[in-house]
Amino acid sequence: QQQVKQSPQSLIVQKGGISIINCAYENTAFDYFPWYQQFPGKGPALLIAIRPDVSEKKEGRFTISFNKSAKQFSLHIMDSQPGDSATYFCAATSNFGNEKLTFGTGTRLTIIP
Amino acid sequence: DTGVSQDPRHKITKRGQNVTFRCDPISEHNRLYWYRQTLGQGPEFLTYFQNEAQLEKSRLLSDRFSAERPKGSFSTLEIQRTEQGDSAMYLCASSQIPLAGDLNEQFFGPGTRLTVL
Repeated sequence: QQQVKQSPQSLIVQKGGISIINCAYENTAFDYFPWYQQFPGKGPALLIAIRPDVSEKKEGRFTISFNKSAKQFSLHIMDSQPGDSATYFCAATSNFGNEKLTFGTGTRLTIIP
Repeated sequence: DTGVSQDPRHKITKRGQNVTFRCDPISEHNRLYWYRQTLGQGPEFLTYFQNEAQLEKSRLLSDRFSAERPKGSFSTLEIQRTEQGDSAMYLCASSQIPLAGDLNEQFFGPGTRLTVL
């Protein structure tokens, strides 16, 4: 049972553009929603995370938008750069991250010049 | 400062053989997690430890899989009688038990890629 659905599977964005990745969850017990970035041959690395008591969190060029009623959240990458080319995973967990992470299926992002 | 390390990075084995992977967490991290990632998918939770106690095991973890963390530091994941379906990246992550109200960030290692022929 897939509890976190992620789209699109792949995304190509021009340098300087906005990359948007969407996720939806089912389990209302989830209360911590991190995004991970993974480069080939490396483990996932935490990029940014949000709790459901806020609707948006911004860190540099990365923003999470959160819609609790729709059970959806999204990652926006502003001014996308070639170095952002990687696979991005949304995830969800409960107890403020003290439980296991449930990951989405990933989005392979490619930034073209 | 070292992150989570895993050994070996790659393992090729024949079907039916046993394999063992090692994970060294970040020093002083109480929690240690194992995940499995197949091609084109997100990591799937297998099991986790708090200190030396194994607190949760996924239903994905068949009887052929066993994990230990004997002294609350490094951990091993053993797969007995490997099958081709076990081919995947095995990821280890560690975290500290956070203070009340703080979020718990999991730090991932580079993974061990297992290929079962």
